[in-house]
Amino acid sequence: EAGVTQSPTHLIKTRGQQATLRCSPISGHTSVYWYQQALGLGLQFLLWYDEGEERNRGNFPPRFSGRQFPNYSSELNVNALELEDSALYLCASSPIGRAPSGANVLTFGAGSRLTVL
Amino acid sequence: AQRVTQPEKLLSVFKGAPVELKCNYSYSGSPELFWYVQYSRQRLQLLLRHISRESIKGFTADLNKGETSFHLKKPFAQEEDSAMYYCALIGGSARQLTFGSGTQLTVLP
Repeated sequence: EAGVTQSPTHLIKTRGQQATLRCSPISGHTSVYWYQQALGLGLQFLLWYDEGEERNRGNFPPRFSGRQFPNYSSELNVNALELEDSALYLCASSPIGRAPSGANVLTFGAGSRLTVL
Repeated sequence: AQRVTQPEKLLSVFKGAPVELKCNYSYSGSPELFWYVQYSRQRLQLLLRHISRESIKGFTADLNKGETSFHLKKPFAQEEDSAMYYCALIGGSARQLTFGSGTQLTVLP
């Protein structure tokens, strides 16, 4: 079974540009989560998508946005890039969306490393 | 609001010694607690979760609701246990997995 796949592995942008990161969840998983892992700041929750809808959002500005496609893959867009956006962006998927469940375990991808110069 | 605190950024123990990684949480309801591990150059992966009450790779963790803790323990550490360990919590319908800041465990030979 293929795991969560993310692309690109590395991305270099300059300030003010836009970045697009992509994620394909495990087959059968409907929920996709995005996390930012910046140096010294740990793992910060960004966004949660389920069944094509944004279900929850972390404490990030609106220039962080995304979407989930009918095949459950997802895109994270970061507009007007700032130096502090440099980080590893992790995508995770899970098979269960809204209903709280003890089986709601997140499987993570390898991440996309974004560097803003 | 939900919060996870891992007080130790770095922890070193000798091989064969017991190890305990501390985790305290703040959440008003009944959370689900997890331990995730990231070995060098590998993906973040689930180690164990409190509802399973299982032992993975010799690690166990007990949820103490009175002390709001979920400490990770292993009686005899191995060198291959060296990794970054994250405690995490999910609470409520928001399905937001909140991570602690992580503890880098180094098991010395």
